[in-house]
Amino acid sequence: DAMVIQNPRYQVTQFGKPVTLSCSQTLNHNVMYWYQQKSSQAPKLLFHYYDKDFNNEADTPDNFQSRRPNTSFCFLDIRSPGLGDAAMYLCATSRDPTGGYEQYFGPGTRLTVT
Amino acid sequence: GQNIDQPTEMTATEGAIVQINCTYQTSGFNGLFWYQQHAGEAPTFLSYNVLDGLEEKGRFSSFLSRSKGYSYLLLKELQMKDSASYLCAVVDSNYQLIWGAGTKLIIKP
Repeated sequence: DAMVIQNPRYQVTQFGKPVTLSCSQTLNHNVMYWYQQKSSQAPKLLFHYYDKDFNNEADTPDNFQSRRPNTSFCFLDIRSPGLGDAAMYLCATSRDPTGGYEQYFGPGTRLTVT
Repeated sequence: GQNIDQPTEMTATEGAIVQINCTYQTSGFNGLFWYQQHAGEAPTFLSYNVLDGLEEKGRFSSFLSRSKGYSYLLLKELQMKDSASYLCAVVDSNYQLIWGAGTKLIIKP
């Protein structure tokens, strides 16, 4: 089945210790997104890629970086995690960023910062 | 600023009907999505509306009025598995997806 895969599902890191979250997709979609979602809040868009074009949301902290080495994979790097970065990180894909193309989400990575 | 408003929480009875409302103020409009999100899981797509009117898909229907900046999701014959959060999201003029915080729906037997 075509899908969006995220690894790991649960990640525990120490305050200030860099962490990388990964996402892969078998849908061959052009667009990949990274969201941060905290409990009972809306998903917050951090970045998205349309093919190789990288789009950084204006209010995404510099502490967050992203890489998309090829169509299938995308990575989220958190350089120095703080306690406020504990959240669910969701990767999503869509065929096109315009109009009525729904986003397909991976299962998420729940990040705990100790 | 851009804003999506949904009730924070609703309670309904198994077998009943519930309507979850969403109002929006966005810079432009290119469609509205409804997603379902079970606790601790990722959102899954339910419906998409871009023209006014009602879209029906099994037990779920979604309505849109662009002139009123309003949508609702109607769930019929509620089942316990429908207990989840329901997120409304609007595509603005820049094709950015603006998300609401979601409505937590609690189903009671």
